[in-house]
Amino acid sequence: DAMVIQNPRYQVTQFGKPVTLSCSQTLNHNVMYWYQQKSSQAPKLLFHYYDKDFNNEADTPDNFQSRRPNTSFCFLDIRSPGLGDAAMYLCATSRDPSGRGHTQYFGPGTRLTVL
Amino acid sequence: AQTVTQSQPEMSVQEAETVTLSCTYDTSESDYYLFWYKQPPSRQMILVIRQEAYKQQNATENRFSVNFQKAAKSFSLKISDSQLGDAAMYFCAYREGGSEKLVFGKGTKLTVNP
Repeated sequence: DAMVIQNPRYQVTQFGKPVTLSCSQTLNHNVMYWYQQKSSQAPKLLFHYYDKDFNNEADTPDNFQSRRPNTSFCFLDIRSPGLGDAAMYLCATSRDPSGRGHTQYFGPGTRLTVL
Repeated sequence: AQTVTQSQPEMSVQEAETVTLSCTYDTSESDYYLFWYKQPPSRQMILVIRQEAYKQQNATENRFSVNFQKAAKSFSLKISDSQLGDAAMYFCAYREGGSEKLVFGKGTKLTVNP
């Protein structure tokens, strides 16, 4: 089945130790998104890629970076995780949204714990 | 900036009954889309229903329907014949036409009682 896959599902890292989260998709969608969702809160968009074009949200800390080496894969890098970065990280995809309001499809998320 | 407000942090419903979840939004745009997403515990977020602002007819998907009041900027979700599997966090979301960005409300946790 076409889908959005996130690995790992659970990630534990130490304070200040760089960590990379992975997302892949078999939907061949143009756009890939990374959201941060803290406990009992709404998802918050960090950034997205429209094909190779990177679009950062104004309030996303510099500590968060992303890479998209090809259509299928997108990575979230946290350079120096702090305790406040512990959260669920959601990847989502959509087709070209310049069409008419295309739906975003979400992966299962990676829960990040920072010790 | 566009905002989405869900005023009910938690709701509960008896199995087989009907429940309505509220959502209001604020925008000055005329071209936009509204969504309800469902996030079950420890499972991924899935789309329940979507509504295009230019359509006057309310969207329906099986047991799920919306009451879209454009002038009032209201977008409520009605779940009929509630099932245990409907228990989840429900997020209302807004997206401006041509934009990639979804703006979410804070969510409503729905409990379904047997």
